[in-house]
Amino acid sequence: AQSVAQPEDQVNVAEGNPLTVKCTYSVSGNPYLFWYVQYPNRGLQFLLKYITGDNLVKGSYGFEAEFNKSQTSFHLKKPSALVSDSALYFCAVRELTDSWGKLQFGAGTQVVVTP
Amino acid sequence: EPEVTQTPSHQVTQMGQEVILRCVPISNHLYFYWYRQILGQKVEFLVSFYNNEISEKSEIFDDQFSVERPDGSNFTLKIRSTKLEDSAMYFCASWKTLETQYFGPGTRLLVL
Repeated sequence: AQSVAQPEDQVNVAEGNPLTVKCTYSVSGNPYLFWYVQYPNRGLQFLLKYITGDNLVKGSYGFEAEFNKSQTSFHLKKPSALVSDSALYFCAVRELTDSWGKLQFGAGTQVVVTP
Repeated sequence: EPEVTQTPSHQVTQMGQEVILRCVPISNHLYFYWYRQILGQKVEFLVSFYNNEISEKSEIFDDQFSVERPDGSNFTLKIRSTKLEDSAMYFCASWKTLETQYFGPGTRLLVL
């Protein structure tokens, strides 16, 4: 069975500082990995994904994530956080062998960026 | 850019009533999903739908729930007799090639 862990309920960072949101996963085969962001009272907005290839993937709004197979991690990063990055971030995994593609989500990490 | 849309954005209903949540997936997508997010909790998979039939469902998706794609564009989730614990945000999602799932803005359901 697949699962996702986001060990931090909340991450606080000052504007302009680097932002990291952690995610580890567990699947029986190869994973597809995703990051989504949710702003208050809004839907889930796709940020980036890892399917195959380069372990460092770049996404929307200056975010990037690094796939680390040995550590089973897919941490989300941004070199310089903005106040507008304050939101709820979800990591999700899909097992490659899952024919129907359901996503398993982590519990979410609230990011608070202070001016 | 094409989007997944959902209606209504908010629904308030009495316990025991039927509700239908509507979604219009992106037009050339083939796989459709419903997820839900109880307030303060993680997003949970409910059901996937492909080729006009349910392809997979979770334990949450019991006999009170049903889905259909009545006209080739809308994708609906029906809850026959709502319970208090059905109060949640319900998200529709779709994708074409089993890579990126695109989510709608959600319907917030409140059961009183």
